[in-house]
Amino acid sequence: DAGVIQSPRHEVTEMGQEVTLRCKPISGHNSLFWYRQTMMRGLELLIYFNNNVPIDDSGMPEDRFSAKMPNASFSTLKIQPSEPRDSAVYFCASRYGRDRPNTEAFFGQGTRLTVV
Amino acid sequence: AQKVTQAQTEISVVEKEDVTLDCVYETRDTTYYLFWYKQPPSGELVFLIRRNSFDEQNEISGRYSWNFQKSTSSFNFTITASQVVDSAVYFCALSEAWDTGRRALTFGSGTRLQVQP
Repeated sequence: DAGVIQSPRHEVTEMGQEVTLRCKPISGHNSLFWYRQTMMRGLELLIYFNNNVPIDDSGMPEDRFSAKMPNASFSTLKIQPSEPRDSAVYFCASRYGRDRPNTEAFFGQGTRLTVV
Repeated sequence: AQKVTQAQTEISVVEKEDVTLDCVYETRDTTYYLFWYKQPPSGELVFLIRRNSFDEQNEISGRYSWNFQKSTSSFNFTITASQVVDSAVYFCALSEAWDTGRRALTFGSGTRLQVQP
């Protein structure tokens, strides 16, 4: 398996623009997570999905952020409009948990977002 | 609510020294899972180990070893004979029982390890 695939790897955008980050989880994994990493706040959970259903979005900073998982093999995180304080590395991770509940989460390479 | 504390922000050692990274956790669940991840300078998050709350056996993998003590809610990580390639940020993480539906990992703030040649 190719692992969790995120795109783009780097994104530079101007304040006010819409940004869409994409994630393809590992095939067969039924939980997907979006994390954000900054120097100030470390690794923080934004939202996660179980079986394509959003379970907890309490970490989403504000209404400018939205996430979708239309099927088991694809998820997006959208920021509209983007602001400089959104600059961070965004990680997507997936985890398998049916008959083996103690599995680890596998992370993508991350998307480094810079909003100028 | 669950919480993971890594009190050591940064550690610097000289190559071949042993080093222990501390991790203390809080959870109300009786069943939970603990993890260590490594983040090298390249930025990816690499899984190192997982431990179930009902398995307090310590584990050794090459130069790495982990000490899980439920009584003190700690899951410490020791690198023996450290090498420059061990330089990275190390994260401890916790997740609750799978059937609670709360499957996300809560991460500590990380410990930056610098191994000097």
